[in-house]
Amino acid sequence: GIQVEQSPPDLILQEGANSTLRCNFSDSVNNLQWFHQNPWGQLINLFYIPSGTKQNGRLSATTVATERYSLLYISSSQTTDSGVYFCAVRSNTGGFKTIFGAGTRLFVKA
Amino acid sequence: KAGVTQTPRYLIKTRGQQVTLSCSPISGHRSVSWYQQTPGQGLQFLFEYFSETQRNKGNFPGRFSGRQFSNSRSEMNVSTLELGDSALYLCASGLDGTGTEQYFGPGTRLTVT
Repeated sequence: GIQVEQSPPDLILQEGANSTLRCNFSDSVNNLQWFHQNPWGQLINLFYIPSGTKQNGRLSATTVATERYSLLYISSSQTTDSGVYFCAVRSNTGGFKTIFGAGTRLFVKA
Repeated sequence: KAGVTQTPRYLIKTRGQQVTLSCSPISGHRSVSWYQQTPGQGLQFLFEYFSETQRNKGNFPGRFSGRQFSNSRSEMNVSTLELGDSALYLCASGLDGTGTEQYFGPGTRLTVT
């Protein structure tokens, strides 16, 4: 089945710094989403981005489907950005299911 | 529009018991999928339902089952609970599940003692 790898696994930033999170996937996908999981476990939708580039405030994302990777950019990080960021892909090759990466744990220091 | 709701939010059960978790998708959404999240295994796909039919199932034992009703609400059941079933169980809803955006509920945190 499709494999999803996220890097780095852990990231510590000073407030105000920028960062790039990466998601590599092993097969073609028809859906790719980025989520932020808050301390209570809720997965918050950041981007639905099977291809192309999107921006939402300080966050932006780019997916290059032909090269099988996606990037999540966080600019001017804030302490509230702390948490775990997940990339999730969906490929109908293996049937209807969504596969998650292991996540990137981000801690932003004040 | 109301989001995805899951009940109960917290649950404590004893080994050997069974449990039923419920998920109500966003109004108009017909696809519901379930995931188990544990510190050691991360987020793992359990199963997905669309129009009351199970479309796919993850690599979980037969103790894990589910169903979807005509109003798209879904339930999952775990029988003969084991300590390792302690986890956060998340459900997600989608319009049709082919490749559209999924939205997650707040989860049910199950503790098995």
